[in-house]
Amino acid sequence: DAKTTQPPSMDCAEGRAANLPCNHSTISGNEYVYWYRQIHSQGPQYIIHGLKNNETNEMASLIITEDRKSSTLILPHATLRDTAVYYCIVRVAFNAGGTSYGKLTFGQGTILTVHP
Amino acid sequence: DVKVTQSSRYLVKRTGEKVFLECVQDMDHENMFWYRQDPGLGLRLIYFSYDVKMKEKGDIPEGYSVSREKKERFSLILESASTNQTSMYLCASFTPGQGPGELFFGEGSRLTVL
Repeated sequence: DAKTTQPPSMDCAEGRAANLPCNHSTISGNEYVYWYRQIHSQGPQYIIHGLKNNETNEMASLIITEDRKSSTLILPHATLRDTAVYYCIVRVAFNAGGTSYGKLTFGQGTILTVHP
Repeated sequence: DVKVTQSSRYLVKRTGEKVFLECVQDMDHENMFWYRQDPGLGLRLIYFSYDVKMKEKGDIPEGYSVSREKKERFSLILESASTNQTSMYLCASFTPGQGPGELFFGEGSRLTVL
């Protein structure tokens, strides 16, 4: 599995954009980058994923470098409720007997603190 | 609303006890996972299952076993609980290739072994 590296913590002012980096220099061509977050005492929540192109949804944007060795999650207007641990994950998918399935390995994540 | 339900949010057990953690999903997902989460270590994969009666070891399977007798239910078993198994346990499920590839998590089971 490709390994990811994230800064342990980051701060952001409310209303500003939060940019969370992730390095995944050993990513393979068929591996996706996923982002999840975990608010205290809750299960992780899916945010966004991408393969090569930049992606945007109602929660965030994902910018993947051309060589795919790193990516940045952007929360365009951070709120206090965005304070959470953010996980960058590279998905490994493999096949056996015609059935596709995957395994996701979580690293240590980035603690994002949004302050007033 | 789609859901992954873990049977117990908080459990306290004694060393040597057998512990069952139950997880049920209502999304007809093929794949189910058990993780444990510890401060400073992030989420670590214990076991996963691709189908009924199928299971594969994750990164830290020692001291654990699993059971998947029905598609919707995936159980984590601690045959003889030890204090180093005190942790938050998270169950998750998804089906590859379905929509955005979203992994659904339960709310977690916090286990304390005394």
